[in-house]
Amino acid sequence: EVQLVQSGAEVKKPGESLKISCKGSGYSFTRDWIGWVRQMPGKGLEWMGIIYLDDSDTRYNPSFQGQVTISADKSITTAYLQWSSLQASDTAMYYCARLSSVFYGVDYWGLGTLVTVSS
Amino acid sequence: QSALTQPASVSGSPGQSITISCTGTTSDVGGYNYVSWYQQHPGKAPKLMIYDVSNRPSGVSDRFSGSKSGNTASLTISGLQAEDEADYYCGSYTSSSSLDVFGTGTKVTVL
Repeated sequence: EVQLVQSGAEVKKPGESLKISCKGSGYSFTRDWIGWVRQMPGKGLEWMGIIYLDDSDTRYNPSFQGQVTISADKSITTAYLQWSSLQASDTAMYYCARLSSVFYGVDYWGLGTLVTVSS
Repeated sequence: QSALTQPASVSGSPGQSITISCTGTTSDVGGYNYVSWYQQHPGKAPKLMIYDVSNRPSGVSDRFSGSKSGNTASLTISGLQAEDEADYYCGSYTSSSSLDVFGTGTKVTVL
């Protein structure tokens, strides 16, 4: 069974750093693209970026380029989303998602990591 | 990277059919048969309902169907049930970006 297991909820202060994770299991994780999707409170879904686990080829949404870093460790089948200096506007639910290798779109989603940034 | 346009809300009574539209451009919806639809219940992760315009993944009810005409894709829910009340998002491949694009989302209310 394919699973994407995300790290737990985080509460941080503005200016702090954070790295959240997404561990894949149940399939050949290294041959797929994993993406990060932001959902701000009461808002829609936004692609932040995607990473190919095998060689860490990474593509960013221009809106998030420079604001976050997406990385991966294929040896432990885990993708990461990282901030160096959080802002209150980063408060959101963050989902990791596997892009299907058969069609264009997401076939599996993680349950989400809620990040709250507040002073 | 502009979001695809969806109506903010659609409603219907149990047993009725409703259709949600997803309008893009020739660079995304209109140019390729790569539209997907996702259902999201409150507090839950999205779930794939339709891929490649009209294909249903295993386990998704056949009450859900997809189609496309020109730059607009549509998701139809027939025999509307209370459990269908959720937010729905379309997604599409786009030649304008290395990332897919989502729609703005539609809240479906079962009256």
